[in-house]
Amino acid sequence: QSVLTQPPSASGTPGQRVTISCSGSSSNIGNNYVYWYQQLPGTAPKLLIYRVNQRPSGVPDRFSGSKSGTSASLAISGLRSEDEADYYCAAWDDSVSGPVFGGGTKLTVL
Amino acid sequence: QITLKESGPTLVKPTQTLTLTCTFSGLSLNTDGLGVGWIRQPPGKALEWLALIYWNEDKRYRPSLQSRLTITKDTSKNQVVLTMTSMDPVDTATYYCAPWVNDAFDIWGHGTLVTVSS
Repeated sequence: QSVLTQPPSASGTPGQRVTISCSGSSSNIGNNYVYWYQQLPGTAPKLLIYRVNQRPSGVPDRFSGSKSGTSASLAISGLRSEDEADYYCAAWDDSVSGPVFGGGTKLTVL
Repeated sequence: QITLKESGPTLVKPTQTLTLTCTFSGLSLNTDGLGVGWIRQPPGKALEWLALIYWNEDKRYRPSLQSRLTITKDTSKNQVVLTMTSMDPVDTATYYCAPWVNDAFDIWGHGTLVTVSS
């Protein structure tokens, strides 16, 4: 069972805006940065968002992150078929002195 | 350009020790603040952080696996090595290494699938 809680699945149609939630606690999301990964089928995870809302070079601005209290969200606007993937949230956890991950959300583009 | 590659056995027997090597280029573990970590992913399951080593030799381990894990670095070879003792079939997973930069695992290696079976 993952320390951070994500919905197992999400879906949307092309062009839609979807959000994926990530719930944690004060030892992780509440007091530390949140980051998000995209994992396309059969590939390694790719960093999408770091430090809550920063995008690495090359990540489209359709992807955005936010945080409120002990929860965080990833928003994807202008949904595309190539966005179909698993998405994981993560954050440093002070109680384990290391990063913890969510259980992942499988995004389906209908 | 930063690249990382994981290497090691693809099959280990239960109770054996697993040794994985992460060889990287485009970054140096002499850089202040930089770390390199290991993460695994059992088939069809979520990501799970295992261990992290920093430029200054500071080491962090997943508490539930701490007794079985050892992470070391060879800065001159640009390598980080993870050993995991007492392997069990539940340890079957794809093992990834990645640099810890800006409070996140940045660019990941392709991963190496390790199967634990007799």
